[in-house]
Amino acid sequence: AQKVTQAQTEISVVEKEDVTLDCVYETRDTTYYLFWYKQPPSGELVFLIRRNSFDEQNEISGRYSWNFQKSTSSFNFTITASQVVDSAVYFCALDEEDGNKLVFGAGTILRVKS
Amino acid sequence: DGGITQSPKYLFRKEGQNVTLSCEQNLNHDAMYWYRQDPGQGLRLIYYSQIVNDFQKGDIAEGYSVSREKKESFPLTVTSAQKNPTAFYLCSSSTGRRAYEQYFGPGTRLTVT
Repeated sequence: AQKVTQAQTEISVVEKEDVTLDCVYETRDTTYYLFWYKQPPSGELVFLIRRNSFDEQNEISGRYSWNFQKSTSSFNFTITASQVVDSAVYFCALDEEDGNKLVFGAGTILRVKS
Repeated sequence: DGGITQSPKYLFRKEGQNVTLSCEQNLNHDAMYWYRQDPGQGLRLIYYSQIVNDFQKGDIAEGYSVSREKKESFPLTVTSAQKNPTAFYLCSSSTGRRAYEQYFGPGTRLTVT
């Protein structure tokens, strides 16, 4: 069965610090997709990024960057120069083998203090 | 604007009553999903539907029921058989094809006393 582990339950940083959110996954698939979502206090999940298993290039989008390493089954998310607005719950997810469902990690609560 | 609506935002019910949560989408998506979120447990899948008039149980379907009579709508009923119904409920939709992200609604917080 597929599984996603986000070992960090909660992280607190001071504004402008860099922070990395860890995501480790388990799957028997050779083709799979990984996702990161952000859940701000309003409650609605916002899609951040999708990565397929054949593309191990790191991706950068503004202050956000993602490091995908198949060798360690990890898909970590780094926020550079964090801001208060980054405070949210972040979820990592993996699509199920039948491609119809997502398996979510437990989420990491990020608190950025000014 | 295209998106997913869930209503109401907050819902209060007495124990023993069934309650139906609304989810509507105008994204022309084939697939729709219901999740339950409890503190520290992430999102757990209740039911999902890939096509009208068809749906499948997720990981925690007991005590819940759904229908999918229209492509745009996927209501969830929390029955009195659900032992711990107080939670945050999220609805989402997607094209249903692999690799495509799910779009989420704003959620409904249900409190049963």
